[in-house]
Amino acid sequence: NAGVMQNPRHLVRRRGQEARLRCSPMKGHSHVYWYRQLPEEGLKFMVYLQKENIIDESGMPKERFSAEFPKEGPSILRIQQVVRGDSAAYFCASSDRGTNTGELFFGEGSRLTVL
Amino acid sequence: KNQVEQSPQSLIILEGKNCTLQCNYTVSPFSNLRWYKQDTGRGPVSLTIMTFSENTKSNGRYTATLDADTKQSSLHITASQLSDSASYICVVSARSGGSYIPTFGRGTSLIVHP
Repeated sequence: NAGVMQNPRHLVRRRGQEARLRCSPMKGHSHVYWYRQLPEEGLKFMVYLQKENIIDESGMPKERFSAEFPKEGPSILRIQQVVRGDSAAYFCASSDRGTNTGELFFGEGSRLTVL
Repeated sequence: KNQVEQSPQSLIILEGKNCTLQCNYTVSPFSNLRWYKQDTGRGPVSLTIMTFSENTKSNGRYTATLDADTKQSSLHITASQLSDSASYICVVSARSGGSYIPTFGRGTSLIVHP
């Protein structure tokens, strides 16, 4: 039973380029969360999605950032026109509402470096 | 506003010693509280989950306590090992409709020295 899969694990972009981070949740999980973690800091909530719906995007910057979780395929966090301040580790987590425990299972993260 | 505060921010102990990490929260309506361990460069992994009615829960050398009245939790690590060096994150979830919105603490960075 595969865990949460994130790719790429490492991504290097130049300022102004686009970054796309992908997250495949655990099998049977329909809830996906994206978090950003800066060096030496805690995880910051960005967005919470269910299949084809954004439930809570209160932690996501209004500009340049977008997220989706289509009916088929992985969830994608997209950052347009990246800036150096976007350099961080981006973690995806999934959960299964059916378990009624709210446990989050995390991927290993995608580390974005903006040159 | 839901908040989770952890202390200390960082902690250094010698191998074999015990330690206790603290978590205070203002999250409503409370659903559950989890402690996660995050090794450097890895994703967090759940250690324990506690619901409103639970006071203590153990997982090997890790023991979590919860006082729902004072909204405090602690994570006690017994006989620490070098592999315990990690960030320990307290996560409190509030129920919102049929979903759970987790609020993360900033974590306590634990370093275990030989």
